[in-house]
Amino acid sequence: GIQVEQSPPDLILQEGANSTLRCNFSDSVNNLQWFHQNPWGQLINLFYIPSGTKQNGRLSATTVATERYSLLYISSSQTTDSGVYFCAGLPADSNYQLIWGAGTKLIIKP
Amino acid sequence: AAGVIQSPRHLIKEKRETATLKCYPIPRHDTVYWYQQGPGQDPQFLISFYEKMQSDKGSIPDRFSAQQFSDYHSELNMSSLELGDSALYFCASSSYRTTSYNEQFFGPGTRLTVL
Repeated sequence: GIQVEQSPPDLILQEGANSTLRCNFSDSVNNLQWFHQNPWGQLINLFYIPSGTKQNGRLSATTVATERYSLLYISSSQTTDSGVYFCAGLPADSNYQLIWGAGTKLIIKP
Repeated sequence: AAGVIQSPRHLIKEKRETATLKCYPIPRHDTVYWYQQGPGQDPQFLISFYEKMQSDKGSIPDRFSAQQFSDYHSELNMSSLELGDSALYFCASSSYRTTSYNEQFFGPGTRLTVL
């Protein structure tokens, strides 16, 4: 089955720093989503980005579908950005079963 | 905007008991998904329903069953609970009527603890 690899697994930054999180897929996906899981366990939709670039405030994402990777950029980090960032994709042969990466655990220090 | 609603938010059960988790999708969403997330792990797909019919099945134990009702809400029934069933259970929904038809929106989750 499809494999999803996220890097780095852990990231510790000072408030105000910028970061780039990466997600690689072993095969093509129909859908790609980025999520933020906060320390209370809630999964928050960040981006639905099968291809191209999107921006939402301090966050932006780029997916290069032909090269099977996606990047999440966080600028001017705040302590509330702490948590785990997951990427997940739908394999070409499924409309339902999201395949998840192991996540990047981000800690923003004040 | 309305979001996915899950109830209860927290549930404590004893081993061998049963539990029922409920999910109310975003209005006009026709597809519901269930995921299980163990401590320190990524979510694992359990099962999904489209227009009240099972559409895909993942790593759902035989002790679990689920269905989607005529009002599109869904219930996950879990029997003979085991300690290893302790996890966060997420419900998600999506709509085939939108351009981002396979974008899944997640509820706040139900935290199940089995003692």
